[in-house]
Amino acid sequence: DAKTTQPPSMDCAEGRAANLPCNHSTISGNEYVYWYRQIHSQGPQYIIHGLKNNETNEMASLIITEDRKSSTLILPHATLRDTAVYYCIVSPYNFNKFYFGSGTKLNVKP
Amino acid sequence: DTAVSQTPKYLVTQMGNDKSIKCEQNLGHDTMYWYKQDSKKFLKIMFSYNNKELIINETVPNRFSPKSPDKAHLNLHINSLELGDSAVYFCASSQRGLGSTDTQYFGPGTRLTVL
Repeated sequence: DAKTTQPPSMDCAEGRAANLPCNHSTISGNEYVYWYRQIHSQGPQYIIHGLKNNETNEMASLIITEDRKSSTLILPHATLRDTAVYYCIVSPYNFNKFYFGSGTKLNVKP
Repeated sequence: DTAVSQTPKYLVTQMGNDKSIKCEQNLGHDTMYWYKQDSKKFLKIMFSYNNKELIINETVPNRFSPKSPDKAHLNLHINSLELGDSAVYFCASSQRGLGSTDTQYFGPGTRLTVL
């Protein structure tokens, strides 16, 4: 079962940063935080993951709080193509069992 | 160069029929998965195979039988299709083991409609 809590929807203006929060207060020490997104009805797309340090790649940045009970996915300059449902998942390394919650529907508006 | 591919993309069939969905990955991964996304958009894991061996079976009816002829393929066969089987089925793959990111890569999905 999903062990994360996300707001059901958020709006963001095109060109602005989109900050998507996720609560995972019961996260265990060996669990990673993964972020995926699903655009319309396509297959989920991997964005980024982390354990305790902040991470950045070409798509996004992941900020994990020091107590690891919450995290924020940052899309630095949102575009209309970033409109999607964003899923935050916690899973132990090598557990191979992702539980998807209901995610956050991000609406990027012109 | 599609990393994870599925066929068919759409499948419409009558109740009671038997159908198969095929999945192939060219990423060299050793673990493959099937997920089901229902009409409420909840995405749930069904099966996971590692090197052709079943490692996860999430209380799925035994009408669903995954088959992995080799580690690059994981097919899903469904017997006696029911209305409630209508959903989008996603295949995924990942690389287990030390040094891997454990990231799962998903296929484009197969939309199954049972009439």
